[in-house]
Amino acid sequence: DQQVKQNSPSLSVQEGRISILNCDYTNSMFDYFLWYKKYPAEGPTFLISISSIKDKNEDGRFTVFLNKSAKHLSLHIVPSQPGDSAVYFCAASAPQGAQKLVFGQGTRLTINP
Amino acid sequence: DAMVIQNPRYQVTQFGKPVTLSCSQTLNHNVMYWYQQKSSQAPKLLFHYYDKDFNNEADTPDNFQSRRPNTSFCFLDIRSPGLGDAAMYLCATSNFATFNEQFFGPGTRLTVL
Repeated sequence: DQQVKQNSPSLSVQEGRISILNCDYTNSMFDYFLWYKKYPAEGPTFLISISSIKDKNEDGRFTVFLNKSAKHLSLHIVPSQPGDSAVYFCAASAPQGAQKLVFGQGTRLTINP
Repeated sequence: DAMVIQNPRYQVTQFGKPVTLSCSQTLNHNVMYWYQQKSSQAPKLLFHYYDKDFNNEADTPDNFQSRRPNTSFCFLDIRSPGLGDAAMYLCATSNFATFNEQFFGPGTRLTVL
């Protein structure tokens, strides 16, 4: 019973192109969504987030889109750079979630020069 | 730099031999979390502390316990490790006001022989 799913375990993108990472969720009570980035031998680091009252949030090269009706969010990275190669986790929280996040399994992004 | 520190980074223990993992933080955050992450899976919340208030996840095995003697430190005790407990253990912290943005330590990789 996984409430947050990242169905693509890996993604390979050419440097300079757009990377699109996808995430689906099942719990309609989720109202806040985040993306974390993880390099090997390091803990995940917060990247970008979006509240359910918005459908888009942008921060530099990173944009997160939220489609509430489809219970789907995506992270766009443009242009992709070699330093973006990492594992990306989608996470979600609910108002009654008591400071808890539910994570997806992660997608390993590789940017090829 | 303010940070979350986990010790040790790698821990090897024998089947059934108690082990303690440690986490410390210099962020002065009032919430601390312990996650278990197995290979290619989502980080799974084991429990969290809001100040001294302990919150156990319903499906966290009794074998796992935690202590938070003060704001800065939190410990994960595994009383009788089994082979299935081999995993990466991640500690995270957050401020109650911005709890979604959790700050992670680098993790402790536990091997059970």
